[in-house]
Amino acid sequence: DAGITQSPRHKVTETGTPVTLRCHQTENHRYMYWYRQDPGHGLRLIHYSYGVKDTDKGEVSDGYSVSRSKTEDFLLTLESATSSQTSVYFCAISSPSGGRYEQYFGPGTRLTVT
Amino acid sequence: QQQVKQSPQSLIVQKGGISIINCAYENTAFDYFPWYQQFPGKGPALLIAIRPDVSEKKEGRFTISFNKSAKQFSLHIMDSQPGDSATYFCAASIRGNTPLVFGKGTRLSVIA
Repeated sequence: DAGITQSPRHKVTETGTPVTLRCHQTENHRYMYWYRQDPGHGLRLIHYSYGVKDTDKGEVSDGYSVSRSKTEDFLLTLESATSSQTSVYFCAISSPSGGRYEQYFGPGTRLTVT
Repeated sequence: QQQVKQSPQSLIVQKGGISIINCAYENTAFDYFPWYQQFPGKGPALLIAIRPDVSEKKEGRFTISFNKSAKQFSLHIMDSQPGDSATYFCAASIRGNTPLVFGKGTRLSVIA
């Protein structure tokens, strides 16, 4: 998984509780991304980061926030989890330079909101 | 607005046959087109990618065909094997410094 770890790998939480997912990389890549994957929707971008403390919204950012205080860590927070946020969450990294645009994914976190 | 449309949603191919998955895009600024392969319970893995300056790229049994004028690209899997059974995603981005936009995926089943 290209030096990417995600934690936790599985989580069950109740509606209304805050949840934080962590993505950690050992590749020193500049860009990091959070996607969610749902049946029939493919992979949809939630937020991404292009450097420490530099983040931007993606297609489905409502209800999510992110933080990146170190190059290696990118945190995704669900401020108040809802059942519609039950999904599999993937972190990805890339280092677009020198014509190389490859993006690599982590193993995913399965989140269930009851 | 879906920027990358992928078809079919699912595909069943006989072992040894050719699997073909198609994608169409709308944004002419896209200049990087990767394909990802995903097995159940795993993250997507980069399979093969193409830039619009070439019309075809081949890596082993996997080939991307690219038609810039039609704004379409496709993945061909030659001599398909049961181990190729997975979900395949096409994607596109601009100059590598914008996030990938993904198609909705194709579930491929290769049967013996």
